[in-house]
Amino acid sequence: AQSVTQLDSQVPVFEEAPVELRCNYSSSVSVYLFWYVQYPNQGLQLLLKYLSGSTLVKGINGFEAEFNKSQTSFHLRKPSVHISDTAEYFCAVSLNFGNEKLTFGTGTRLTIIP
Amino acid sequence: DTGVSQNPRHKITKRGQNVTFRCDPISEHNRLYWYRQTLGQGPEFLTYFQNEAQLEKSRLLSDRFSAERPKGSFSTLEIQRTEQGDSAMYLCASSDGQRRGPNTEAFFGQGTRLTVV
Repeated sequence: AQSVTQLDSQVPVFEEAPVELRCNYSSSVSVYLFWYVQYPNQGLQLLLKYLSGSTLVKGINGFEAEFNKSQTSFHLRKPSVHISDTAEYFCAVSLNFGNEKLTFGTGTRLTIIP
Repeated sequence: DTGVSQNPRHKITKRGQNVTFRCDPISEHNRLYWYRQTLGQGPEFLTYFQNEAQLEKSRLLSDRFSAERPKGSFSTLEIQRTEQGDSAMYLCASSDGQRRGPNTEAFFGQGTRLTVV
């Protein structure tokens, strides 16, 4: 079975500062990797995904993530955050075959300080 | 198409009552998923349909929970004899399983927040 660990439950960052949200995964088979964002009382929106190819993936809202197979990590980064980035961020994996069932981490709450 | 639609958005019920939620997926999507998200946690998989067939159920889905997708379009999730521990956000997602190539993305609805009092 696969699992996802998000070590930081909360990350406060000053506006316009860079941010990195950490994600590590465990799986005995190949997986696809995703980052989702959830605004208060909303569903999940896909930020970016890694399926194959280049290990640096760019997503919406200026976010990017780098897949590191040797460290089984998929950290999310943004060079300069805005107040509107305040939200909960979830890292998730799915198997690279079959359906798109996702296994999520526990989430990281990103708070932007003005 | 406006995406995945879930109704109601909020539901407050007394313990012991039955509740039913509805999910309308994106029209061309043949795969549909239900997840449950409790406070401070990530979503947890409950069940999955391909067309009208329920192909996978999590052990989280107790006997009090039942899901259907009768015509391969919308789906319902029913909880019988609700308990306070059932309070959570119930999320529905859909994906296009007919696309060739690797599976890519599940699209989520805004969820139904259930509060059992």
